[in-house]
Amino acid sequence: NAGVTQTPKFRVLKTGQSMTLLCAQDMNHEYMYWYRQDPGMGLRLIHYSVGEGTTAKGEVPDGYNVSRLKKQNFLLGLESAAPSQTSVYFCASSRVDTQYFGPGTRLTVL
Amino acid sequence: AQTVTQSQPEMSVQEAETVTLSCTYDTSESDYYLFWYKQPPSRQMILVIRQEAYKQQNATENRFSVNFQKAAKSFSLKISDSQLGDAAMYFCAYRRYNNNDMRFGAGTRLTVKP
Repeated sequence: NAGVTQTPKFRVLKTGQSMTLLCAQDMNHEYMYWYRQDPGMGLRLIHYSVGEGTTAKGEVPDGYNVSRLKKQNFLLGLESAAPSQTSVYFCASSRVDTQYFGPGTRLTVL
Repeated sequence: AQTVTQSQPEMSVQEAETVTLSCTYDTSESDYYLFWYKQPPSRQMILVIRQEAYKQQNATENRFSVNFQKAAKSFSLKISDSQLGDAAMYFCAYRRYNNNDMRFGAGTRLTVKP
């Protein structure tokens, strides 16, 4: 099983550009999450989803949007990228309590 | 808001020795989960061990064990017989029962010396 996969692995954007990060899981998990990881800090929750068609805000949602059109996919969008969004982004999924993480996407906004 | 504190930014241990990583958390809840995740240089977040707050028995996974002190809100990770492959960032995390917002500590970088 692939588990949780993320596309792309690396990306460089210019300020104001938009992009979408794709997360896919093949474990039939109901819950999916997007986190960001900044130097010297732990992961912080951006948005999450408790099932297909549902999303909710986490700790740091501003500047991001998400969609969960299919159970296995969770998309994170940046409509107008800012340098403050330079970070490593992790997707995770879970059935109930334990979250399993993807390999991360390193995003740089110039 | 729940917060997780890891007071040791860096730790080092000699190969084959034992090391303990500290974690404290702040919560008013009685039902919750606690986790330790390992992040090697590959950046992949790997679950090391988990503990349910209602269980008094400390969780153990092979060379990894925890010391869960609920009253003190402390959740330390002990790594026995340390191996070179244990070198990584270790994150402590807290999640309230029936809540999807998991909170992470800032991490402890563990170095294993041969």
